[in-house]
Amino acid sequence: GESVGLHLPTLSVQEGDNSIINCAYSNSASDYFIWYKQESGKGPQFIIDIRSNMDKRQGQRVTVLLNKTVKHLSLQIAATQPGDSAVYFCAEKNSGGGADGLTFGKGTHLIIQP
Amino acid sequence: EPEVTQTPSHQVTQMGQEVILRCVPISNHLYFYWYRQILGQKVEFLVSFYNNEISEKSEIFDDQFSVERPDGSNFTLKIRSTKLEDSAMYFCASLFDRESQPQHFGDGTRLSIL
Repeated sequence: GESVGLHLPTLSVQEGDNSIINCAYSNSASDYFIWYKQESGKGPQFIIDIRSNMDKRQGQRVTVLLNKTVKHLSLQIAATQPGDSAVYFCAEKNSGGGADGLTFGKGTHLIIQP
Repeated sequence: EPEVTQTPSHQVTQMGQEVILRCVPISNHLYFYWYRQILGQKVEFLVSFYNNEISEKSEIFDDQFSVERPDGSNFTLKIRSTKLEDSAMYFCASLFDRESQPQHFGDGTRLSIL
């Protein structure tokens, strides 16, 4: 079965609004989580990451929240812009278990409406 | 900013033929990865490579696949006898060390098997 999944395949928000993209994971041993953005025809682009010893981390206009109790990860994007339109993937890794590869979720397509 | 570069951007190959996908990781990186993404699906881990050997591989990475770092700059993925289901985007990623995440991805090679 899949280790990481997403609640919504498509999310549409108005330009300037905040957006929240959610992700559920099932491997309680995962200790590293990362959000990637993928634009059409491009590879995954790093947005923000978080380790399991934290529950929140902020970047520029983005915040990642980690709730280990319910195994839930979210990406908040503030004041969305047209350039934020893309597919967003969460990914996880069990570094302590020696895993090297990332396990990706299915992706959420974020659409920014003008 | 340094980038992972992949060539070709699109490869069309007859079923049963061998194909080699090429990647130039970021120059001071030590860990190298291949992932694939079937159209409309999530990104899937194939293999990781460190110190001239495979460090982890997924179930997808069967005997038809091989990787090589033939010189100090290139990292290749070979599929020995391609099948229709090998059609996908193949992404290369690299990492300086496992403690300094994240993995940096190239823009991929689209492999089309006819």
